[in-house]
Amino acid sequence: GESVGLHLPTLSVQEGDNSIINCAYSNSASDYFIWYKQESGKGPQFIIDIRSNMDKRQGQRVTVLLNKTVKHLSLQIAATQPGDSAVYFCAENKLTGGGNKLTFGTGTQLKVEL
Amino acid sequence: AAGVIQSPRHLIKEKRETATLKCYPIPRHDTVYWYQQGPGQDPQFLISFYEKMQSDKGSIPDRFSAQQFSDYHSELNMSSLELGDSALYFCASSLGPGRTGGELFFGEGSRLTVL
Repeated sequence: GESVGLHLPTLSVQEGDNSIINCAYSNSASDYFIWYKQESGKGPQFIIDIRSNMDKRQGQRVTVLLNKTVKHLSLQIAATQPGDSAVYFCAENKLTGGGNKLTFGTGTQLKVEL
Repeated sequence: AAGVIQSPRHLIKEKRETATLKCYPIPRHDTVYWYQQGPGQDPQFLISFYEKMQSDKGSIPDRFSAQQFSDYHSELNMSSLELGDSALYFCASSLGPGRTGGELFFGEGSRLTVL
């Protein structure tokens, strides 16, 4: 069935280092792939998305890579800061006649060590 | 900027009681989504509405119902509550089909505890 999942449940990095969070997906029909950040007790916050016909997109300190051959998505965070500590979810979005159908994968807890 | 507003933020109910959660989308957003997130789990899609009509349905129990009103706010009604219904319930909103790149804006969530 359709699924989106992350490889690692927890990732610890030193402050200032780069972080790479990985995600595998199985539904090739998605229109967008999205990364969300969720801090404790808060709602998911949009970070960056990438259309299914792209392989790379950059934002401020973040880069998303999409490898459709192996159905793999990654989020790279440059110069990781303590404020980046959160759970990160990848999600796939299939645009429908009624809007978006967003399916979340299992989150990865990012811990930034000082 | 205005965000998605959810109420109440916290709710405690007994088993078999009913609960109603409310969601006020970002102004001009005509699509709302409801998600349920259990402890340590990813958000699970329940149901969505576009222009006051149900647009998609996910893993929403038959005990739950929802609707979107003329002012675009939405309410999630939960009856015969069970212990397993204890979770964070998120509402999200977006522009309608064809006018969004896929970004959903989430509220801060309503935490339901069933005792």
